[in-house]
Amino acid sequence: DQQVKQNSPSLSVQEGRISILNCDYTNSMFDYFLWYKKYPAEGPTFLISISSIKDKNEDGRFTVFLNKSAKHLSLHIVPSQPGDSAVYFCAASALLTGNKLVFGAGTILRVKS
Amino acid sequence: DSGVTQTPKHLITATGQRVTLRCSPRSGDLSVYWYQQSLDQGLQFLIHYYNGEERAKGNILERFSAQQFPDLHSELNLSSLELGDSALYFCASSVASGTISGNTIYFGEGSWLTVV
Repeated sequence: DQQVKQNSPSLSVQEGRISILNCDYTNSMFDYFLWYKKYPAEGPTFLISISSIKDKNEDGRFTVFLNKSAKHLSLHIVPSQPGDSAVYFCAASALLTGNKLVFGAGTILRVKS
Repeated sequence: DSGVTQTPKHLITATGQRVTLRCSPRSGDLSVYWYQQSLDQGLQFLIHYYNGEERAKGNILERFSAQQFPDLHSELNLSSLELGDSALYFCASSVASGTISGNTIYFGEGSWLTVV
């Protein structure tokens, strides 16, 4: 049972344009959502997070949007840069289940220069 | 460099064998988490320790066990290995317990396990 789904295995974007990575979840108990970025041969690194009491969180070029009614969140990267090329994992957790991180399968982002 | 150190980086072993993966958390971090990433799968949570005590268990097989020692390093023991256990095993650490705001979880580079 995949509670966190990233339905796009890969995404290709031109440098300077917006990258939009999507994530859907099924567990309504999730109250904290995170995005991680992973380069080859490295561990995932934390990118940005959002609490369920918010619908938007922005950090520089990265913005995460949360639509609780649709159980959907998205990560916007603008403008996209070649160095953003990586695998992006969406993750979610629930306070009532011990805050365990549940990850999606990841989306490979390629930013073309 | 996240500050989380995992050894070994690569390991090849035969079915039925037992291996131990080691993790040193970031200095000052009390929480250690273990995750498994198989081919075509996202990161699967295995287990979480906080200051030596088990806090949460995920999809960890009975053949697998872990512990966190007084010096806060952790070991993941995998026994009776099967081909399907081949995966990348990540250790992560954080100061506090769980994914509360501000408690960033830092990942190590992972240990590649290949079972042949």
